[in-house]
Amino acid sequence: SQQGEEDPQALSIQEGENATMNCSYKTSINNLQWYRQNSGRGLVHLILIRSNEREKHSGRLRVTLDTSKKSSSLLITASRAADTASYFCATATSGSRLTFGEGTQLTVNP
Amino acid sequence: DAGVIQSPRHEVTEMGQEVTLRCKPISGHNSLFWYRQTMMRGLELLIYFNNNVPIDDSGMPEDRFSAKMPNASFSTLKIQPSEPRDSAVYFCASSFSQGSGEKLFFGSGTQLSVL
Repeated sequence: SQQGEEDPQALSIQEGENATMNCSYKTSINNLQWYRQNSGRGLVHLILIRSNEREKHSGRLRVTLDTSKKSSSLLITASRAADTASYFCATATSGSRLTFGEGTQLTVNP
Repeated sequence: DAGVIQSPRHEVTEMGQEVTLRCKPISGHNSLFWYRQTMMRGLELLIYFNNNVPIDDSGMPEDRFSAKMPNASFSTLKIQPSEPRDSAVYFCASSFSQGSGEKLFFGSGTQLSVL
């Protein structure tokens, strides 16, 4: 079963708007990561937030983590058409194993 | 760095045939992962290696699947015999693991179609 579940499954916005995606998980984690996948390509790592961190920024990306609610959110500000992709959260629980959610398909319309 | 290299990029085969997927991880990485991606099941971890040793193969679907890592720069995933339900995109990923879930670097994947 999937550890992480993204919400929404699909999101369509206009260029310049902000996009927010959410991820919920079930068990205690060491860290939570977000990845991006363009159509027909492999996943690309975006950002990692550790269990003792609450918020992290990288460029136009902002990630929050609430371990009490077992949830995380990814905010992409000032979206661009090139941000169109699938976004996955992944949780690290024990060892090197990462478990991925089902992803959010983001479409940014020009 | 060339990144994680997978071959072939596409594979079309007939049911019952043997399929071998190949992966070259990033030099210096000590962990290697095989994932399978389908619309129905999403991204599933099949197996991962640490320092060339299989650590967790609980995701390998059945005995038809086998994976090897003979050295730090090469791994194979073999399906024998292949079945139509094995059709999926197979990804290899590598990382420099320190035991707490470091970020993964993915290859471009192998699109497998079993007819």
